[in-house]
Amino acid sequence: GGIITQTPKFLIGQEGQKLTLKCQQNFNHDTMYWYRQDSGKGLRLIYYSITENDLQKGDLSEGYDASREKKSSFSLTVTSAQKNEMAVFLCASSNWVSSYEQYFGPGTRLTVL
Amino acid sequence: GQQVQQSPASLVLQEGENAELQCNFSSTATRLQWFYQHPGGRLVSLFYNPSGTKHTGRLTSTTVTNERRSSLHISSSQTTDSGTYFCAIERSSSFSKLVFGQGTSLSVVP
Repeated sequence: GGIITQTPKFLIGQEGQKLTLKCQQNFNHDTMYWYRQDSGKGLRLIYYSITENDLQKGDLSEGYDASREKKSSFSLTVTSAQKNEMAVFLCASSNWVSSYEQYFGPGTRLTVL
Repeated sequence: GQQVQQSPASLVLQEGENAELQCNFSSTATRLQWFYQHPGGRLVSLFYNPSGTKHTGRLTSTTVTNERRSSLHISSSQTTDSGTYFCAIERSSSFSKLVFGQGTSLSVVP
């Protein structure tokens, strides 16, 4: 078994601030993902990384940067926090071969004041 | 337009009742997956079911690929089934990019 951890669990920032969310997995998975979930809505893909040193934009990448520091970790940066970005950010990982089986972390809840 | 549509948006059941959740998708999907999101937020995979019928416990998923629809049946519901159920597809042209529906919020009351 394995686990995905996300830090912090809650993140409060000021409008215009640069904020970083972190994700770690110990599944030894190749692929990692960042999703955003707005209240009452489904998940939307922000960035993903197929393997270490790879970075791919999702459907919602504008206003975000991502970094795959090593195989087990994937960070997401909100470049300039906006009030309409109050949402939950979910990290996931999957195997290269069975990419459909994505495992999710508990999420980081972002509040922008 | 919306690529994955789920219905109903919300559902309230009496404990012991059955539920049928629907998922319709507008584009060709190579993969289809059902997820359950705990009220606390963690998302877990229930089924990977691109076609046919799969069972696990009180849950049954049926996907009819050529009709671009899938259903999730919950039998003898329990209060612990409460939460949000998501359907997600992987588009044939997009490796590992899941597209999620809006979810069905289920509340099972005693």
